[in-house]
Amino acid sequence: EVKLEESGGGLVQPGGSMKLSCVASGFTFSNYWMNWVRQSPEKGLEWVAEIRLKSNNYATHYAESVKGRFTISRDDSKSSVYLQMNNLRAEDTGIYYCTRCNSYAMDYWGQGTSVTVSS
Amino acid sequence: DIQMTQTTSSLSASLGDRVTISCRASQDISNYLNWYQQKPDGTVKLLIYYTSRLHSGVPSRFSGSGSGTDYSLTISNLEQEDIATYFCQQGNTLPPWTFGGGTKLEIK
Repeated sequence: EVKLEESGGGLVQPGGSMKLSCVASGFTFSNYWMNWVRQSPEKGLEWVAEIRLKSNNYATHYAESVKGRFTISRDDSKSSVYLQMNNLRAEDTGIYYCTRCNSYAMDYWGQGTSVTVSS
Repeated sequence: DIQMTQTTSSLSASLGDRVTISCRASQDISNYLNWYQQKPDGTVKLLIYYTSRLHSGVPSRFSGSGSGTDYSLTISNLEQEDIATYFCQQGNTLPPWTFGGGTKLEIK
């Protein structure tokens, strides 16, 4: 059974940092692109970042809204993907989902972890 | 970036009804259109990918169609467990992945 489990969310002050983690199980993690997607009432579902495979030199891509502030990374030996978030803003508040990419779709999603940026 | 539009933000239907949810892309996405279901507890699942291909474990009462810029998701014989919000997403021009605003389905 494919499982994705996020952790690391919580409350952080504006300008602060936070690192989200996602542990995968039930499949060969190193064979799949991974993404982070967030959801807020204001913006709905918003793609945040993507990381590809070792064969793609672990290429990364980011939404314009987070470029320069967020960093996605992966550790295939731990079946994990991470999202380092720096210089957080109120508009980064939301539920953050880890997703697996397959055939140009996000075929599995984690349960989400909540991030609140507020003073 | 490709914009995805779901013009119906909420929809009310009766159990057993046939329901159709629409999605429009701002340009031709060559059938790379996916549908997701989000339950009230936040759980998100892939239902359909590449316009009409059913994801593993998805009931056959769900189906998808469309081409070019216009796509739809149909639920035949609506069941209580189908109460959820449905999102479309394009997978043609990446990045960025872009989503529609969602259609919330309620029971009449």
